Amino acid sequence: GNSVTQMEGPVTLSEEAFLTINCTYTATGYPSLFWYVQYPGEGLQLLLKATKADDKGSNKGFEATYRKETTSFHLEKGSVQVSDSAVYFCALSPLGSSASKIIFGSGTRLSIRP
Amino acid sequence: DVKVTQSSRYLVKRTGEKVFLECVQDMDHENMFWYRQDPGLGLRLIYFSYDVKMKEKGDIPEGYSVSREKKERFSLILESASTNQTSMYLCASSLSLPRTSPSTDTQYFGPGTRLTVL
Repeated sequence: GNSVTQMEGPVTLSEEAFLTINCTYTATGYPSLFWYVQYPGEGLQLLLKATKADDKGSNKGFEATYRKETTSFHLEKGSVQVSDSAVYFCALSPLGSSASKIIFGSGTRLSIRP
Repeated sequence: DVKVTQSSRYLVKRTGEKVFLECVQDMDHENMFWYRQDPGLGLRLIYFSYDVKMKEKGDIPEGYSVSREKKERFSLILESASTNQTSMYLCASSLSLPRTSPSTDTQYFGPGTRLTVL
């Protein structure tokens, strides 16, 4: 079946540190891949997405590359800020899914120290 | 901007009560979703709807029902609330477009309703 596995949190970093949050997936064919972010007290919002192999999604300094060979979609940022503190969800939309269903990972809580 | 609103941010109910959670979206989206979010479990799909009066079960539909009488509104109903339904409930919506469209798949979420069942 389809599933997403992401690194467990919490992840605590100092401001300006380099961030990697690992995400791997299991799916048939070429799903669309996403990173969503949930800031404290809010719902989820799309951070970035990639729809085919080798695509790179990017937004707000975050990047993730769709790696078919390793079935991965790791999230990276070169220099994190306190305002990046949030919960990050890796997700996929299976090929041919009805009503654009999305399967989410369990989430990784990120805390940035000033 | 897409806006998805949920009727309450916080709700406290007693075991056995009937609970209604309302969700409204203002962007004419065909698809709407209800999830619950629990620590360590991520988001789990309860029900979704791809058109007015159409609904499909998600991964954890037991103990819940839904209603979609109008395109913009999707309601989640707990017929008889139980303590194990204490959770954060998130509503989302998305467009129905051809698979090749870059706008397809993206879901837009409401702020969530934190429900406590005593």
